[in-house]
Amino acid sequence: EAQVTQNPRYLITVTGKKLTVTCSQNMNHEYMSWYRQDPGLGLRQIYYSMNVEVTDKGDVPEGYKVSRKEKRNFPLILESPSPNQTSLYFCASSPSQTGVTSYEQYFGPGTRLTVT
Amino acid sequence: GDSVTQMEGPVTLSEEAFLTINCTYTATGYPSLFWYVQYPGEGLQLLLKATKADDKGSNKGFEATYRKETTSFHLEKGSVQVSDSAVYFCALSKGVTGGGNKLTFGTGTQLKVEL
Repeated sequence: EAQVTQNPRYLITVTGKKLTVTCSQNMNHEYMSWYRQDPGLGLRQIYYSMNVEVTDKGDVPEGYKVSRKEKRNFPLILESPSPNQTSLYFCASSPSQTGVTSYEQYFGPGTRLTVT
Repeated sequence: GDSVTQMEGPVTLSEEAFLTINCTYTATGYPSLFWYVQYPGEGLQLLLKATKADDKGSNKGFEATYRKETTSFHLEKGSVQVSDSAVYFCALSKGVTGGGNKLTFGTGTQLKVEL
């Protein structure tokens, strides 16, 4: 089954304790992205990756890191989480082709993170 | 920058009522437009899309028409069901350098359908 998986689904942590949220897709997609969802703000892009070893900042990258060592995986790293990073996080993937904007993005089930 | 504005929710309807969720956008160039749906506890799923002016996207009884003159992409359904209860997101997509597409989302509209 074609899917995007994320782990963990729920995480409660304390300020400053490094954490990683994993994301994996089995559709051989080049493009992967992380979003955070906050009430009244919709989804905002954190980072994206065009392909292996190619990543770039989205709209709200502060406090986050990513890496893309393999095509299927795109982990999100919070080196020193703070309470304002409490949010619902989604990983997404899609095919990629220059000039094409119509590809559907496939979303993972989400990771609900609470930082106390 | 690009932005998407959609009507505030929550929207509460009786089953079989007509649904309209308004969406307008601001963007340069020729974005693709999408409606995504998020059921409780799940990720977002594509509901429908349109890639150029006057295109109509449709799926599961939902429709939306890409209106460039009014920069709108309103979602409609003639007869809603309880199972349509979810959060609906309007989004636009612009290309990024080197390929791929970035989605810019509206804030989401929660729909609740009651018997």
